[in-house]
Amino acid sequence: GAVVSQHPSWVICKSGTSVKIECRSLDFQATTMFWYRQFPKQSLMLMATSNEGSKATYEQGVEKDKFLINHASLTLSTLTVTSAHPEDSSFYICSYDGGAPTDTQYFGPGTRLTVL
Amino acid sequence: QKEVEQNSGPLSVPEGAIASLNCTYSDRGSQSFFWYRQYSGKSPELIMSIYSNGDKEDGRFTAQLNKASQYVSLLIRDSQPSDSATYLCAVQIQGAQKLVFGQGTRLTINP
Repeated sequence: GAVVSQHPSWVICKSGTSVKIECRSLDFQATTMFWYRQFPKQSLMLMATSNEGSKATYEQGVEKDKFLINHASLTLSTLTVTSAHPEDSSFYICSYDGGAPTDTQYFGPGTRLTVL
Repeated sequence: QKEVEQNSGPLSVPEGAIASLNCTYSDRGSQSFFWYRQYSGKSPELIMSIYSNGDKEDGRFTAQLNKASQYVSLLIRDSQPSDSATYLCAVQIQGAQKLVFGQGTRLTINP
């Protein structure tokens, strides 16, 4: 399967600061990728879908001005949590769509964000 | 009704037995189905994908799909303690690239 990396793997920040999370596909190029959030003991919640070169599509209830997604290239996407608050503390995971015909998603290792 | 439903468990199975995980989905037009395993504190990893009715085997894992019943399952033979994890069923809804995940079933294999 494809290899996806995320950086940082964990981050602790103060309330009100912004945090940028990078997601890279290391061995393939993907037009579409996804950002998820997972709270403890809950399932994955899709935040947004992004296609390289165009604006991200956010799921209902996700604030696009708070969670900024930049899909800069076919191998790099970033998620910036702006003005983070303790309720934004979560496990953030990106995934790349492996494309046709299987459309398998390959997940990064995740970034654990703790906002104090 | 949730789009993808799983029994959250926990499901407890003795080592060496068969673990059976079930998933139902609501979108009849769905074409692609996936099982992911997630260890605590880690991201999901793909176990199996299945696209047509019937069984698909890969080592100790067998995925079963019944589109008429809108049901997909995962069997794990000769269960090992290392299989203890949360198993996520994911369905690609017709006309969409995104996956819809079930809430996951927590599986514990008892030595």
